[in-house]
Amino acid sequence: AQTVTQSQPEMSVQEAETVTLSCTYDTSESDYYLFWYKQPPSRQMILVIRQEAYKQQNATENRFSVNFQKADKYFSLKISDSQLGDAAMYFCAYRSAFGKTSYDKVIFGPGTSLSVIP
Amino acid sequence: SAVISQKPSRDICQRGTSLTIQCQVDSQVTMMFWYRQQPGQSLTLIATANQGSEATYESGFVIDKFPISRPNLTFSTLTVSNMSPEDSSIYLCSVDRPPYFGPGTRLTVT
Repeated sequence: AQTVTQSQPEMSVQEAETVTLSCTYDTSESDYYLFWYKQPPSRQMILVIRQEAYKQQNATENRFSVNFQKADKYFSLKISDSQLGDAAMYFCAYRSAFGKTSYDKVIFGPGTSLSVIP
Repeated sequence: SAVISQKPSRDICQRGTSLTIQCQVDSQVTMMFWYRQQPGQSLTLIATANQGSEATYESGFVIDKFPISRPNLTFSTLTVSNMSPEDSSIYLCSVDRPPYFGPGTRLTVT
């Protein structure tokens, strides 16, 4: 069974600085998706970025980028130029490749609480 | 991206009662998912709901406690039955490809 681990329960970053949140996962599959979700106090789960395992290029979305190391089963999120609005709970998540209908379940890590210091 | 709405956004209920949570999607989707997020915890999948078939429940969740309806391709309901304080959680509806989530329902059981 797949597992997702986030070893940093809490992180903090100074406003305008850069922070990296770490995630490791375990799977025997070769084709899958990885996601980072943000959950602010409003509790809405917001998709920040996703990475397809078959793509070697790391995904980027504006100030958010990932470092995907497939061989090491490592998937980190880098937030550049941190803003006060980035303060939230961040969840790393794993999903088997689309089309494998028996594996539609998304597995979430325990989360990292990010604080942004003004 | 899909737009998902949930009703109610929050509720306070007495133990022993039931609450039905509604989830509406702005486009037709094959599968809808219900998650539970207990206080300070991550998300746990309760069940997967396909239109026209029985929901598939994850280990630890049973239909008698969490009955689900899926009458069409844009709507689903989750009922939390015979509630106890341990059911106090956020309940989230989700659709796939990629997973998008509704705003959640915060349930408090007293």
